[in-house]
Amino acid sequence: DIVMTQSPLSLPVTPGEPASISCRSNQSLLHGNGYNYLDWYLQKPGKSPHLLIYLASTRASGVPDRFSGSGSGTDFTLKISRVEAEDVGVYYCMQPLQSPYSFGQGTKLEI
Amino acid sequence: QVQLVQSGAEVKKPGASVKVSCKASGYMFIGYHIHWVRQAPGQGPEWMGLFNPDSGDTEYAQKFQGKVTMTRDTSINTAYLELRNLRSDDTALYFCARELGSAFDSWGQGTMVIVSS
Repeated sequence: DIVMTQSPLSLPVTPGEPASISCRSNQSLLHGNGYNYLDWYLQKPGKSPHLLIYLASTRASGVPDRFSGSGSGTDFTLKISRVEAEDVGVYYCMQPLQSPYSFGQGTKLEI
Repeated sequence: QVQLVQSGAEVKKPGASVKVSCKASGYMFIGYHIHWVRQAPGQGPEWMGLFNPDSGDTEYAQKFQGKVTMTRDTSINTAYLELRNLRSDDTALYFCARELGSAFDSWGQGTMVIVSS
């Protein structure tokens, strides 16, 4: 099974400042089609997760451009260029390359 | 707009079964896989398996084989997750999610299942 490891697990930030979350997998997430199968989700308190980034670097519909995803193979990063108060919650990376799909432990972003 | 609306919270005794529903609207139900994800209290999400509403085919995580059954009723655009032989560690929030490409672009609101004697 593919194991996803996120860091840090807790991320205190100041509004207006940048933030960065790392996600590593124990196997490459690079598909033969050239895409990296890595998604990022945000779960706000008391809510369902919602999709931020798919295929490592493509923003989902309606996601502000202050969110960006990068990386390839086994190392991935989610960046928020300027954190806003509404960005608080737990961020998860997930690999949909291979069954069983797997999530990282989550990174709690706090202001 | 795409919506997945799940059934309400359930309280069950150990050994019982429960069936959670996920009603889809705003898109062609049979055109997209449905995934089920659970989240134990204070924990991260855990993928349980996927369901093809068109063919009825399933793919369960090995951990849940023999524990869950995913089905659907296409006449009412609804997917179901049945869990058997419930234990206290099955207490969790259960989500359905629609797969678009490789990602889960729409999620249900979650159904809390509490297993307690």
